[in-house]
Amino acid sequence: GQQVMQIPQYQHVQEGEDFTTYCNSSTTLSNIQWYKQRPGGHPVFLIQLVKSGEVKKQKRLTFQFGEAKKNSSLHITATQTTDVGTYFCAGRLSNAGGTSYGKLTFGQGTILTVHP
Amino acid sequence: DARVTQTPRHKVTEMGQEVTMRCQPILGHNTVFWYRQTMMQGLELLAYFRNRAPLDDSGMPKDRFSAEMPDATLATLKIQPSEPRDSAVYFCASGFDGSRVFIQENYGYTFGSGTRLTVV
Repeated sequence: GQQVMQIPQYQHVQEGEDFTTYCNSSTTLSNIQWYKQRPGGHPVFLIQLVKSGEVKKQKRLTFQFGEAKKNSSLHITATQTTDVGTYFCAGRLSNAGGTSYGKLTFGQGTILTVHP
Repeated sequence: DARVTQTPRHKVTEMGQEVTMRCQPILGHNTVFWYRQTMMQGLELLAYFRNRAPLDDSGMPKDRFSAEMPDATLATLKIQPSEPRDSAVYFCASGFDGSRVFIQENYGYTFGSGTRLTVV
């Protein structure tokens, strides 16, 4: 079945350092979503990427979707203590009709710790 | 802000007992997911529904788990009988899936706060 792998599993940074998490799928994806889960909380949607090679920015966060639509990355510039949490990617296969609302498979997540 | 409501927030039960978790999706959403989260397995998809019809429950242990949507405002996940290995946080998420929304940058699913289940 579809697998979505995410690395690293853990990342500890000093406040102000950059952070990147990578997501790889065993199959071509129709789109990919990113979520953030604060400790003790629930996943919160950040963004969806749909086009090959797409790059999107949200303030200090930069999201990329690979050309082959099998990998993605999230980069945070100059981390802050408020960035602490687990970052998940979630990939979706397209169905035979070319639309894209099949099941969403989550990666294992990257736990980010930021030391002040 | 619209939210997905899950009840109960916490549940402690003895092995062998039946457990029912409930989810009220956001009004107007046509897709509901049930996920289970553990440290070891991460977020596992158990079941999902579109327009109340079950689309995929391949991740769900069929012998003890069942998921239903008796109406558009309620999704349930039932475990009978419960076992200690079922201890986890169970999340419900809802969203709107249509032929064009997948191209939208800001489209995503809204998760509930989860039900933390402990089976002793």
